[in-house]
Amino acid sequence: QSVLTQPPSVSGAPGQRVTISCTGSSSNIGARYDVHWYQQLPGAAPKLLIYGNSNRASGVPDRFSDSKSGTSASLAITGLQAEDEGDYYCQSYDSSLSGSVFGGGTKLTVL
Amino acid sequence: EVQLVQSGAEVKKPGESLQISCKASGYSFTSYWIGWVRQMPGKGLEWMAIIYPGDSDTRYTPSFQGQVTISVDKSISTAYLQWTILKASDSAMYYCARMSGAAASRFIDYWGQGTLVTVSS
Repeated sequence: QSVLTQPPSVSGAPGQRVTISCTGSSSNIGARYDVHWYQQLPGAAPKLLIYGNSNRASGVPDRFSDSKSGTSASLAITGLQAEDEGDYYCQSYDSSLSGSVFGGGTKLTVL
Repeated sequence: EVQLVQSGAEVKKPGESLQISCKASGYSFTSYWIGWVRQMPGKGLEWMAIIYPGDSDTRYTPSFQGQVTISVDKSISTAYLQWTILKASDSAMYYCARMSGAAASRFIDYWGQGTLVTVSS
């Protein structure tokens, strides 16, 4: 059971907008620790998408954005493309564990 | 260009020992934390351990403490992950990862290509 909870799967048609939630607690997201997002395409290593205060990693299109409220964070993908299909992970710091934690991951399917 | 190049896939038997490596290039090796992330087949990412090559300060996720050893050789900019007694449940993909950012804001900005470890009798 991950400290950060993500939905197992989301889906959307090409061109649509999808969001992926990452729900934590008062010892991680709720404590205002940064949330970072990673993309893992099939058969590949994970790749940094968004870090810190909504900073997109180099080469990441502005179709990807994030937001945070209370003990939750979200990744939004607009103009969905077939190449976006893969797994997405959130990551933050947890003060109770004194270390970084990943969410369980969300599989994005482009219909 | 920052690169993390990991050693190749391994097939081992239960009870054997193993060390996998991650050679870093393109940046000051001693100035960034580097760590290992496990991904079991069909599962998510798990932090295992991180180390600061500058002073070898090491942190383990509790579930991996005592199960693996992380180390570095600064002279060749290489990080290692070692098992003394492998179990079938250690079969997984292992990624090395460079971390950026300060303390509780750290994130992984570069990943290795992964090393697949298979433990089977």
